[in-house]
Amino acid sequence: NAGVTQTPKFRVLKTGQSMTLLCAQDMNHEYMYWYRQDPGMGLRLIHYSVGEGTTAKGEVPDGYNVSRLKKQNFLLGLESAAPSQTSVYFCASSYISGGEQFFGPGTRLTVL
Amino acid sequence: DQQVKQNSPSLSVQEGRISILNCDYTNSMFDYFLWYKKYPAEGPTFLISISSIKDKNEDGRFTVFLNKSAKHLSLHIVPSQPGDSAVYFCAASAGSNYQLIWGAGTKLIIKP
Repeated sequence: NAGVTQTPKFRVLKTGQSMTLLCAQDMNHEYMYWYRQDPGMGLRLIHYSVGEGTTAKGEVPDGYNVSRLKKQNFLLGLESAAPSQTSVYFCASSYISGGEQFFGPGTRLTVL
Repeated sequence: DQQVKQNSPSLSVQEGRISILNCDYTNSMFDYFLWYKKYPAEGPTFLISISSIKDKNEDGRFTVFLNKSAKHLSLHIVPSQPGDSAVYFCAASAGSNYQLIWGAGTKLIIKP
């Protein structure tokens, strides 16, 4: 039982490049989330999903896209990376929306 | 406007003493509160929660107190141990249909 896993752990991009972050969970959770964490700030919700095939915008969705083609996977895409997207990205999943969330180990992204 | 505030960015406590971490909120609709613990290079992990129908919840060395009239909650750790050194996040939700709103975190340092 791996819980929530994220790929990759680290990535360096140049401005304008694109990439996809992969999140996988094996707990059969309906809800999945992508957050970013910046110094001195709490976790900010980028996008979330309430089930397979659904996605919704969170607090800071601009510059990101997501897809949930399979229940266990939630992908976060950056189409044209910008230095402002340098951050640590966390994926999480939960059984219900407002309850306990289980987090992956994070992806540290640097955009030069 | 920050709905969940952790006003102390850091806190230093002697090993064996009590650690008290504080969290204030502004949204009176919040009815479920959670504390998460985060070590460097790891994702946050759930620590303890409390529903608004209670004013105290205890789990081993960890106790969370909720003061609804003051819109304030606190996490008490007794006795503090070196492994408690981490960043602690407070989060709140307004029912199971709503997302978690996160505080900025407090870095707890336990001194030997």
